[in-house]
Amino acid sequence: GAGVSQSPSNKVTEKGKDVELRCDPISGHTALYWYRQSLGQGLEFLIYFQGNSAPDKSGLPSDRFSAERTGGSVSTLTIQRTQQEDSAVYLCASSPDYLTDTQYFGPGTRLTVL
Amino acid sequence: QKEVEQNSGPLSVPEGAIASLNCTYSDRGSQSFFWYRQYSGKSPELIMSIYSNGDKEDGRFTAQLNKASQYVSLLIRDSQPSDSATYLCAVNSNTGGFKTIFGAGTRLFVKA
Repeated sequence: GAGVSQSPSNKVTEKGKDVELRCDPISGHTALYWYRQSLGQGLEFLIYFQGNSAPDKSGLPSDRFSAERTGGSVSTLTIQRTQQEDSAVYLCASSPDYLTDTQYFGPGTRLTVL
Repeated sequence: QKEVEQNSGPLSVPEGAIASLNCTYSDRGSQSFFWYRQYSGKSPELIMSIYSNGDKEDGRFTAQLNKASQYVSLLIRDSQPSDSATYLCAVNSNTGGFKTIFGAGTRLFVKA
């Protein structure tokens, strides 16, 4: 079966523009996670979706960041009014369930804000 | 204190040696523990998961968990140059709401 897919693989945008990053999880996985990884750094947790429950947004760095998950499947991370410090690789992961299961990562979207 | 701490390294070991990677965590409510390997420019991939105290072995890899001391380690036996990567420790907790916290990772170099 297909793994986690993300699009676009690379995104270059100008400061102040809005961007949308897409994640398509593994079919049947109820949990979906977004992380951010800056160059040479670890993973920064952003947001977590579990089934139809309200998402845990505790990791979102500012109100310019938002995410939604439609139909319990595809998720979109939106960054409004991008800033240069938003430049990073944005990773999406999914797992069959939360708390105990392995997270399977997508290839990431490399975002560059000029 | 960081929630999940790892020595950033780099840790350098000769081929065939044992590499020992360590991780400590602060949340006593943590329930699931993972080691991921990340090659440069690639996404993390799971190496080992461990949920209860003790050792768990899988091939050349052994994960060790000690909840009383709040540490988890990864041993890589017969290290190979292909093991050279960054190893990320991850901890899942449901205390005050679910969260996954990753350590910053330890860079491992295995010299041929």
